[in-house]
Amino acid sequence: DGGITQSPKYLFRKEGQNVTLSCEQNLNHDAMYWYRQDPGQGLRLIYYSQIVNDFQKGDIAEGYSVSREKKESFPLTVTSAQKNPTAFYLCASSKGLDQETQYFGPGTRLLVL
Amino acid sequence: AQSVTQLDSQVPVFEEAPVELRCNYSSSVSVYLFWYVQYPNQGLQLLLKYLSGSTLVKGINGFEAEFNKSQTSFHLRKPSVHISDTAEYFCAVSDKDDYKLSFGAGTTVTVRA
Repeated sequence: DGGITQSPKYLFRKEGQNVTLSCEQNLNHDAMYWYRQDPGQGLRLIYYSQIVNDFQKGDIAEGYSVSREKKESFPLTVTSAQKNPTAFYLCASSKGLDQETQYFGPGTRLLVL
Repeated sequence: AQSVTQLDSQVPVFEEAPVELRCNYSSSVSVYLFWYVQYPNQGLQLLLKYLSGSTLVKGINGFEAEFNKSQTSFHLRKPSVHISDTAEYFCAVSDKDDYKLSFGAGTTVTVRA
């Protein structure tokens, strides 16, 4: 089955530590996205990528970094500069930036120790 | 970017009763409209979408939504809910010339027997 996988399901971060969240898709989609979800709020866009080796900041990129070395993969690193990282992180993909439907992965919950 | 308002944060409803979830967005320019559902600790699943054409859109699991351009609304309805419809529902909007998807804060539907 085609889809989006995210790992791990839960991730714990210590103070001052960088952590990386994995996102893989086998839908042959060009565009990929990372969102952050906090309780009682909608999703907010962190980064997006239209094609391999290209990515752009979203609305809340500070304290995060990404890479897009392969079409299938779009890992997100939460750096120590992100002072409030506790949230649910969702990865999504679409055929292209101008293709209207985004498909979501199951999410990673990040908690700070 | 669009601003999306979901007017109800919590909607309790009895099983087999109808439900309506309200969504309004900020601009009357050409838009794409979506409703997603999120079950606990999972990613988002597309319920339905409006791209063009008929203003009444039918989706999965018996849900439907009506696009009202003059009122900039896209309300979601189901005539008879089941316990399994207990979830959080998100309305999302994008301008046709902008890939960015703006989400509402979500509506939690709790179905009771």
